[in-house]
Amino acid sequence: NAGVTQTPKFQVLKTGQSMTLQCAQDMNHEYMSWYRQDPGMGLRLIHYSVGAGITDQGEVPNGYNVSRSTTEDFPLRLLSAAPSQTSVYFCASGKGHSNQPQHFGDGTRLSIL
Amino acid sequence: EDKVVQSPLSLVVHEGDTVTLNCSYEVTNFRSLLWYKQEKKAPTFLFMLTSSGIEKKSGRLSSILDKKELSSILNITATQTGDSAIYLCAVGTSGTYKYIFGTGTRLKVLA
Repeated sequence: NAGVTQTPKFQVLKTGQSMTLQCAQDMNHEYMSWYRQDPGMGLRLIHYSVGAGITDQGEVPNGYNVSRSTTEDFPLRLLSAAPSQTSVYFCASGKGHSNQPQHFGDGTRLSIL
Repeated sequence: EDKVVQSPLSLVVHEGDTVTLNCSYEVTNFRSLLWYKQEKKAPTFLFMLTSSGIEKKSGRLSSILDKKELSSILNITATQTGDSAIYLCAVGTSGTYKYIFGTGTRLKVLA
């Protein structure tokens, strides 16, 4: 009964490096999303997906790419890391089309030097 | 532009006090309003309110949705130190199926 699993939990990058944050869910949820959480800013939506092969942009998509090749996985790619991307990243999943809440992973704390 | 605003931003109370947290929203195609509690890590789900379920209660926590005023309140009675957390409000929209979050209210309960 894993729920939503995010890896890694912590990561330090240098400016300009690229990396992928992993997110997997085992609840067969159609809807998956990525948020970033910064002090005083709440959770801001980066990208989301309503099913395999379908993705769309949220409020703050610049500098991030996503893909959804399977129902279970929704990786978030930082193309060229910048200090402004230092944040805590949360992945969430839900049943999407029905009125059901999202379930969150434990987050990835990312620091860009 | 869709917007969710929470107030107050932070709150310090003593154990046993009653607190009321506020959430107001301006979104197109409102579908649902959700409350989450966030302690150290992931937000955990508290309540979901919709047009067909405007009032929810669980123990010392309760929440009401006012669709006319486009707002919701979260009440916590007889607060305990374990209630210390950030409380997040999110609004779900139909059509795009996005969730818009407010900035959260940081609650600290002193013993």
